[in-house]
Amino acid sequence: GAVVSQHPSRVICKSGTSVKIECRSLDFQATTMFWYRQFPKQSLMLMATSNEGSKATYEQGVEKDKFLINHASLTLSTLTVTSAHPEDSSFYICSAKRTGEDQPQHFGDGTRLSIL
Amino acid sequence: GNSVTQMEGPVTLSEEAFLTINCTYTATGYPSLFWYVQYPGEGLQLLLKATKADDKGSNKGFEATYRKETTSFHLEKGSVQVSDSAVYFCALSDASGSSNTGKLIFGQGTTLQVKP
Repeated sequence: GAVVSQHPSRVICKSGTSVKIECRSLDFQATTMFWYRQFPKQSLMLMATSNEGSKATYEQGVEKDKFLINHASLTLSTLTVTSAHPEDSSFYICSAKRTGEDQPQHFGDGTRLSIL
Repeated sequence: GNSVTQMEGPVTLSEEAFLTINCTYTATGYPSLFWYVQYPGEGLQLLLKATKADDKGSNKGFEATYRKETTSFHLEKGSVQVSDSAVYFCALSDASGSSNTGKLIFGQGTTLQVKP
């Protein structure tokens, strides 16, 4: 149990394109989902916390208008990178957390975004 | 603020060797502690967790004990295999205590390479 599906796994697109990444919890309801960014050989950097039915909470330094997050249901959150540029190229990973304290986060397999 | 520090890698071992990856943390309150593993090109998988002092998390031959007195959560395995080669992340969650965001704070990750 506790499977999180992230799609697509890899995206290559031109500069200026907007890219949408989906994160789905397949067998549980996730009140909260998280979006991370990982640079090569580095740790995960939390970008934002996505709560179902409300606005996402962004970490300091993350541009809200650049990285749009929508969490319309208990099983789906989306991250849209708007007008992507080469510096947005990275590995984006989502996670989903069951409701309740001390519940671990379950991670998707990540999306490799490459902007040409 | 809360933080996690891991030993620097890469750690290179021969098959069947004993593994220790050190992890220490700084936190207010009583965080839950986690070890995640990331295989190449994939997202993170929860390896084990501990939610209170003196708890021992274990899975797939790996174990770690929540040591409040030394603020540590070292990962150990008695006999590593080539298939254990991956990046290991120590993390803490501030879901305990008065702060209940569920955010994870990750260490920088430790690469383990196991040679046959």
